[in-house]
Amino acid sequence: AQKVTQAQTEISVVEKEDVTLDCVYETRDTTYYLFWYKQPPSGELVFLIRRNSFDEQNEISGRYSWNFQKSTSSFNFTITASQVVDSAVYFCALSEASTGNQFYFGTGTSLTVIP
Amino acid sequence: GAGVSQSPSNKVTEKGKDVELRCDPISGHTALYWYRQSLGQGLEFLIYFQGNSAPDKSGLPSDRFSAERTGGSVSTLTIQRTQQEDSAVYLCASSLEQGHSPLHFGNGTRLTVT
Repeated sequence: AQKVTQAQTEISVVEKEDVTLDCVYETRDTTYYLFWYKQPPSGELVFLIRRNSFDEQNEISGRYSWNFQKSTSSFNFTITASQVVDSAVYFCALSEASTGNQFYFGTGTSLTVIP
Repeated sequence: GAGVSQSPSNKVTEKGKDVELRCDPISGHTALYWYRQSLGQGLEFLIYFQGNSAPDKSGLPSDRFSAERTGGSVSTLTIQRTQQEDSAVYLCASSLEQGHSPLHFGNGTRLTVT
C-alpha cells in the first residue's frame, strides 16, 4: 500500500493564481515526520519543510503555506500568487519513528505556472 | 557551504558494461541514501548508510547493484552488467542523522544504457 499519495499528477495554473498540492499519508505510528521537497527543471530536490506529528499548527513562509490535518491524514501545500519560478515537481514524504531510516515519497505533482 | 556532490553528472554506457557512480555527502552528515528516479517517476529507495552500521540494502533491485561507503564519507554505487532498464537518474542524499532530519540531495547522475 502506498504510504504517501499525491493524487494530482499534473497541475497547470496561470501566474498569480493560488494552487494547492494535496498529500495524504498513511501510518500507524504516533510519531512521524512529514516533508515537502521541490524539484525544479534543473533536477536537484530542494527541501522545503518538515513537520512532526505533534505539531499541527499551520505554517506560512512567504507565499508558501502548509496545512497539516491529522484527522484527515493530510499535509497539503498551498502556493499563493503563483509565479513561473514555482514550476517544478513537488514531492511529499513521510518518515516514521518505527522505521527510522526510511523516507516514503509520493509520486510527485508536476506544477506548471503559465505566464 | 558545499552541498552533496555527485559525479559524473551524465554517464552513457553500453549494455553489459559496469558503471560506478560517486557521491560526496555534506561534511558531518552521518546518513547517506541512494535513490533512483526513472523518467517522470517518483523516487525509488535503493540503499542507506548510517555511520558504521551495516547498510540497509533492502531497496537494491538486483545483485548487479552494490554500494559502499568508505570512511563514513564518500559513497560509490556500482551497477554491474548494465541493462537498458537501469537507465535513470541516480540521486544521492545525506542528512545529519537517521530518519527524521531533512535529506539534502545532490544533482544526480543521469545514466543512459544503450
